Amino acid sequence: KNQVEQSPQSLIILEGKNCTLQCNYTVSPFSNLRWYKQDTGRGPVSLTIMTFSENTKSNGRYTATLDADTKQSSLHITASQLSDSASYICVVSARTDKLIFGTGTRLQVFP
Amino acid sequence: DGGITQSPKYLFRKEGQNVTLSCEQNLNHDAMYWYRQDPGQGLRLIYYSQIVNDFQKGDIAEGYSVSREKKESFPLTVTSAQKNPTAFYLCASSIGWQGNLYTEAFFGQGTRLTVV
Repeated sequence: KNQVEQSPQSLIILEGKNCTLQCNYTVSPFSNLRWYKQDTGRGPVSLTIMTFSENTKSNGRYTATLDADTKQSSLHITASQLSDSASYICVVSARTDKLIFGTGTRLQVFP
Repeated sequence: DGGITQSPKYLFRKEGQNVTLSCEQNLNHDAMYWYRQDPGQGLRLIYYSQIVNDFQKGDIAEGYSVSREKKESFPLTVTSAQKNPTAFYLCASSIGWQGNLYTEAFFGQGTRLTVV
């Protein structure tokens, strides 16, 4: 069964600190993996998209990594800001199939 | 100002009533999608349309209906047959099928439907 699991479910950090969110998937055959940021009560916004041949991709203070062998991805946030408070969703696409969404990690950044 | 617009932001419905959620995009995208988001669950696909006048059921289509008469519009009707309609509904669009490599899906701001 195609599944995407994220950890932790929720995370609290202080402003300025770094954090790493995890995503494990069992989707096959794998096409691409995406990370989305969703503010409360808003629609998700894409942060990165990676294929199996890409190990790392950055978008400002966000850096995503992908290990296609172990079927794991991580999203690292550097020097967190209050505006980083949101849910972060890992989404995996099987080739020519629909997107499979994880349940998200809720991040809260406090001053 | 290009984008995808959902309306209304909040919607209240009495049990037994049908209600229609609006989704409009001016991105010239062929594909459009409706998702449902519940607390503690990932987004689930209700219906999708890859081209005008064509649409397909997603994973949880029961109790919902859609139409795609125009490229820009993909309204979702929540019927009285949907047993648990209270949820956050998200509309999305993409230039091609969203599962394809590097095809990014753009989401609307969502409609929160509450049955009272």
